[in-house]
Amino acid sequence: RKEVEQDPGPFNVPEGATVAFNCTYSNSASQSFFWYRQDCRKEPKLLMSVYSSGNEDGRFTAQLNRASQYISLLIRDSKLSDSATYLCVVNMKSGGGADGLTFGKGTHLIIQP
Amino acid sequence: NAGVMQNPRHLVRRRGQEARLRCSPMKGHSHVYWYRQLPEEGLKFMVYLQKENIIDESGMPKERFSAEFPKEGPSILRIQQVVRGDSAAYFCASSPFSGNQPQHFGDGTRLSIL
Repeated sequence: RKEVEQDPGPFNVPEGATVAFNCTYSNSASQSFFWYRQDCRKEPKLLMSVYSSGNEDGRFTAQLNRASQYISLLIRDSKLSDSATYLCVVNMKSGGGADGLTFGKGTHLIIQP
Repeated sequence: NAGVMQNPRHLVRRRGQEARLRCSPMKGHSHVYWYRQLPEEGLKFMVYLQKENIIDESGMPKERFSAEFPKEGPSILRIQQVVRGDSAAYFCASSPFSGNQPQHFGDGTRLSIL
C-alpha cells in the first residue's frame, strides 16, 4: 500500500461546480495533514492545514477521518484559477523525530469554462 | 518578508560533474528540508537539517549526495558525479519549528544532466 494515495484524475469540472477529492494514508501514527497546490511543476504552495474537527477557508473545506485514515478536500463554486494539481501531504513522524513530509502524487483538477 | 530562496533556478551539468544547489530559508526559519521531484512523480523527502546539524537523511541516496546547513550562509545540496537519473526538480522548504508545522517551499532548482 502506498504511503499517501490519491486519485490522479484528471477531474474535469465545469466552472461553478463543487468538486471533492479524497486521499488515504497508511501510517495510523501520522501527526499532521495538509493540502498543497502545485501549478505546472512549480513549487507546492500550502492551501490549508487539516484539523481533526474539520476546517474551512473560504470556498475550501478540509476533513480528516483518523479512524478510516483519509483526508478530503471540498471546493465549492469552483473558479478557472482553481485548475491545478492538489497534493495530499502527511507528516508521518516516524520514530527519531523525522519531520519530512510525505506527498501524494497529486490529483489533477481542470476547471472548464 | 522574503520567502524561501533557491538558486540557481535552472542548472545544466554533464555526466560526471558536480551540482551544487543552494537554499536560503525564510527569515526566522531555522529548519530546512530538501525534496526531489522526478518527472511525472510526486515529491520525495530527502533530508532535514537545522543549523550545523543533519537531523534526518533517511531519504538521501547513499552515495554521491550530501547536504549541509552551515552556521552562516545557505543550505547546500551537493550531488557529485551526476548521472542522467539525477535530472529532476529539487525543492527546498523551511519552517520556523519542527513538529506539526506546514513547510514553505522555494521555487525549486531544475537540474538537467546532459
